[in-house]
Amino acid sequence: NAGVMQNPRHLVRRRGQEARLRCSPMKGHSHVYWYRQLPEEGLKFMVYLQKENIIDESGMPKERFSAEFPKEGPSILRIQQVVRGDSAAYFCASSPPVLAGETQYFGPGTRLLVL
Amino acid sequence: GIQVEQSPPDLILQEGANSTLRCNFSDSVNNLQWFHQNPWGQLINLFYIPSGTKQNGRLSATTVATERYSLLYISSSQTTDSGVYFCAVQTGANNLFFGTGTRLTVIP
Repeated sequence: NAGVMQNPRHLVRRRGQEARLRCSPMKGHSHVYWYRQLPEEGLKFMVYLQKENIIDESGMPKERFSAEFPKEGPSILRIQQVVRGDSAAYFCASSPPVLAGETQYFGPGTRLLVL
Repeated sequence: GIQVEQSPPDLILQEGANSTLRCNFSDSVNNLQWFHQNPWGQLINLFYIPSGTKQNGRLSATTVATERYSLLYISSSQTTDSGVYFCAVQTGANNLFFGTGTRLTVIP
């Protein structure tokens, strides 16, 4: 049973370009979470999605960031017009259908560097 | 939101020594996880422990939910234990709130 997959593992973008980060959850998991880790800090929640639905996006910046989890295919975190402050590690986690509280399994992360 | 505090922020150990890492949280939780982030940045699940005690090899963890803290014990530390240890809690069906971590360095 493969774990959570993320790609690319490393991404370099120039200021103003777009970044697309992909996450495939573990088999049987229908809940996906995105977290961001700035250098030397802990992880901060961004968004929680189920198939075709955004459940909680309270941690997402209001502009330039969007996320989706389509019926088919991976979840995508999209950052438009990237700036240097977007440089960070972006982690995706997945969990099985939950009522309340369930282990979240994390992918290896995508390290975004904005030049 | 819920506050998660970890102590100590930094810890240096001689190989073979034991240590205890602490996580305090400010509200009731229905999930608590301990993670190890290795020097390559990979997050590794150590324990899912909303209450009680669990052991896995040289590591064990105890959560006292009524007193809102959890402890992670590392015995006979090895250089491969180096990295950052995060505690994360969940208060509903949504996201985890992470502490700021304990950076552990084990020297040979």
